Amino acid sequence: KAGVTQTPRYLIKTRGQQVTLSCSPISGHRSVSWYQQTPGQGLQFLFEYFSETQRNKGNFPGRFSGRQFSNSRSEMNVSTLELGDSALYLCASSLGGALDIQYFGAGTRLSVL
Amino acid sequence: EDQVTQSPEALRLQEGESSSLNCSYTVSGLRGLFWYRQDPGKGPEFLFTLYSAGEEKEKERLKATLTKKESFLHITAPKPEDSATYLCAVNQAGGGADGLTFGKGTHLIIQP
Repeated sequence: KAGVTQTPRYLIKTRGQQVTLSCSPISGHRSVSWYQQTPGQGLQFLFEYFSETQRNKGNFPGRFSGRQFSNSRSEMNVSTLELGDSALYLCASSLGGALDIQYFGAGTRLSVL
Repeated sequence: EDQVTQSPEALRLQEGESSSLNCSYTVSGLRGLFWYRQDPGKGPEFLFTLYSAGEEKEKERLKATLTKKESFLHITAPKPEDSATYLCAVNQAGGGADGLTFGKGTHLIIQP
């Protein structure tokens, strides 16, 4: 059974640009969550999508947005990039219940110059 | 403010030297506590879920326990391949599949 796939693995952007990251969940999983991981703050929850609807959101500015498609694949967009957005962005998929195990992808490493 | 704190931040052990990692939490209404392992360049890998105080779960050299305020990950006779960052996370009551709140992790190094 294929795991969670995130593309691309690495990205380099400059300040002010925008970026789109992609996540393909495990087959049959309807929930996709996004996290930002930095050395200083650790893993922080961005938002969660279930059946194409944003179901929950963390404390990040509106520059961070996402969407989910009918096949459960999800994209995350960051507009007007700032240096502080440099991080590892992780996607996790689950069946969708509150205590279902979240399975993580390998992440997309974003560097903002 | 709800919080998850892990200690120590880093731990270096000799192969075979048992120890424990701590995860203390202050959340209102714990629904579940999760332990993950993260290797460099990879995403977190699920280890355990604990739901109520007194619960214990084991997997190979690892055993996780839960009290009302903290969880421990006990590592017995570790091997070099157990070297990784161990993360704990909590899911709190609040409706919906709320995101996990993670601690900053314990970076564990097992020396041969």
